[in-house]
Amino acid sequence: DIQMTQSPSSLSASVGDRVTITCRASETITRYLNWYQQKPGKAPELLIYASSNLQNGVPSRFSGSGSGTDFTLTISSLQPEDFATYYCQQSSSFPWTFGQGTKVEVK
Amino acid sequence: QVHLVQSGAEVKKPGASVKVSCKASGYNFNDNYIHWLRQAPGQGLEWMGWINGKSGATRYAEKFQVRVTMTRETSISTTYLELSGLRHDDTAVYYCARLDSDWDAEYLQYWGQGTLITVSS
Repeated sequence: DIQMTQSPSSLSASVGDRVTITCRASETITRYLNWYQQKPGKAPELLIYASSNLQNGVPSRFSGSGSGTDFTLTISSLQPEDFATYYCQQSSSFPWTFGQGTKVEVK
Repeated sequence: QVHLVQSGAEVKKPGASVKVSCKASGYNFNDNYIHWLRQAPGQGLEWMGWINGKSGATRYAEKFQVRVTMTRETSISTTYLELSGLRHDDTAVYYCARLDSDWDAEYLQYWGQGTLITVSS
């Protein structure tokens, strides 16, 4: 199985901050990397698919990059509604696997 | 508008089985795969498998191969997840999600609201 490792596991930030979350795959997944946001008690929501494609309706302050084994999710200017947990997920091969999550908290 | 509506929370005893439903609306049920995932309390997401809405073909994660069955009833656009031999560590929120794709990239765009399954003696 492909292991997905996110860092950091958690971070504290303020509104307006630039936030970067990284995700590393244990083997190459080319560009088959998705990012989800999850708020407490809610289902995950798709933010970005195929490494850098912004899902319809997702604010442009979210962006993704990377290929191969190393990927990044960036929030250019953190907004109050962005405090949540973020997961990366590889869709290169089954079983699909997720990172352990990065919790973005209020500083 | 696409909606996936799951059945309600259940409490089960160890060794029992549970069947969770996921009713789809707003699209042609036959056109998409449905994936099932779970999330234990305070933990991350775990992929369990998928079912093809049209053919009923399935693929399961090896971890669940022996205990899981995914089925569907096309007449009511509903997919089912059945998990047998429940253990305490099966306590989790179970999600269904629709597979979408863009060329060769696949992702889960629409999710059910989740179903909490509690395994308790």
